Amino acid sequence: DAKTTQPPSMDCAEGRAANLPCNHSTISGNEYVYWYRQIHSQGPQYIIHGLKNNETNEMASLIITEDRKSSTLILPHATLRDTAVYYCIVRVALSEKLTFGTGTRLTIIP
Amino acid sequence: NAGVTQTPKFRVLKTGQSMTLLCAQDMNHEYMYWYRQDPGMGLRLIHYSVGEGTTAKGEVPDGYNVSRLKKQNFLLGLESAAPSQTSVYFCASSLLGWSNQPQHFGDGTRLSIL
Repeated sequence: DAKTTQPPSMDCAEGRAANLPCNHSTISGNEYVYWYRQIHSQGPQYIIHGLKNNETNEMASLIITEDRKSSTLILPHATLRDTAVYYCIVRVALSEKLTFGTGTRLTIIP
Repeated sequence: NAGVTQTPKFRVLKTGQSMTLLCAQDMNHEYMYWYRQDPGMGLRLIHYSVGEGTTAKGEVPDGYNVSRLKKQNFLLGLESAAPSQTSVYFCASSLLGWSNQPQHFGDGTRLSIL
């Protein structure tokens, strides 16, 4: 699986959009970009994934650059409950495992 | 809809004891996974199953055994617990194993081996 690079920590004001970057410069054409988050000591929560097109769901938006070497997860209106560690993962086709790195610790400031 | 349920949530064992962790999913998923999470190391895949009656090794399988006798259940066993197995264990499931299908996780079992 391709390696990802994320900033170790970020702060965001409550009510503002949180933009979490991820670099995956060695991504291959058949690798999907996934985002998960882990709130406190709970299990990882699936947020969104995409291959090359931008994606949006009820939780977030995923913006993937045209060359696919980086992506940004956008939480449009951050709340205190969005404080968590966010993981960017690239997953090769037919790979069973998800390789979690150390992620970005996002803190929402009241 | 409970999703992925893990039992127990907490357990303390003595070295050499055995135990079984249970994972149950109600989403009719074919694939199930066991991960462990240690501080500063992210999640690592222990074993996984691609369907009822099948199991396969992940990246850290030593000291663990698994069974998938029923589609909805995936059991993780420790035959002789060691302090190095102190960790948080997460179970996950996915509809199939394709890269465009997300894995859904339980809330974990916190296991301490004394």
